[in-house]
Amino acid sequence: AQSVTQPDIHITVSEGASLELRCNYSYGATPYLFWYVQSPGQGLQLLLKYFSGDTLVQGIKGFEAEFKRSQSSFNLRKPSVHWSDAAEYFCAVAAGDSSYKLIFGSGTRLLVRP
Amino acid sequence: GAVVSQHPSWVICKSGTSVKIECRSLDFQATTMFWYRQFPKQSLMLMATSNEGSKATYEQGVEKDKFLINHASLTLSTLTVTSAHPEDSSFYICSARDKTGRGAEAFFGQGTRLTVV
Repeated sequence: AQSVTQPDIHITVSEGASLELRCNYSYGATPYLFWYVQSPGQGLQLLLKYFSGDTLVQGIKGFEAEFKRSQSSFNLRKPSVHWSDAAEYFCAVAAGDSSYKLIFGSGTRLLVRP
Repeated sequence: GAVVSQHPSWVICKSGTSVKIECRSLDFQATTMFWYRQFPKQSLMLMATSNEGSKATYEQGVEKDKFLINHASLTLSTLTVTSAHPEDSSFYICSARDKTGRGAEAFFGQGTRLTVV
């Protein structure tokens, strides 16, 4: 069965520092992978997605993610974090059946130090 | 961009009453909508997949009779929590997939916080 692991429950970085959030997935074929961000009490906003092609994916708000099949990873990165990036980040994989339901990781809470 | 509107944003109800939450795709048609439940500081747990014109598919452990899902049109799905109890208090989020087939992308509503007193 498909699964997603986000090993870091929370991460704290200083404003202006670089960021990397880890995501590992379990899926037999080429996965459909997503990163979403959630602000407190809000729904989810899509940051970026990977279906196929270039393994380095650019998203909104200056985020990027790299798909590494050999490592079953899809880590999210940002070169310089802003205070407004503080939020909960979820990695997800789409199920392989026709429902394409999303299977989410447990999330990583990002805290930004001034 | 694709917009999914969820209503209400928050609701407080008495134990034993029923609550209906609406999920609308505003600028696209959604053949499939999903309902999630999120406990504080936890991830999203899929409750059910809703297909327009057919019965919803519930995930294991989700009570069908308690969480009634209706997807009557290509732009509207509703979740009704029947005979609500305090343990049903949670954050409920819906999402919808674009009918035109933009891969597996789904768009999320802003969520509904349900508090049962």
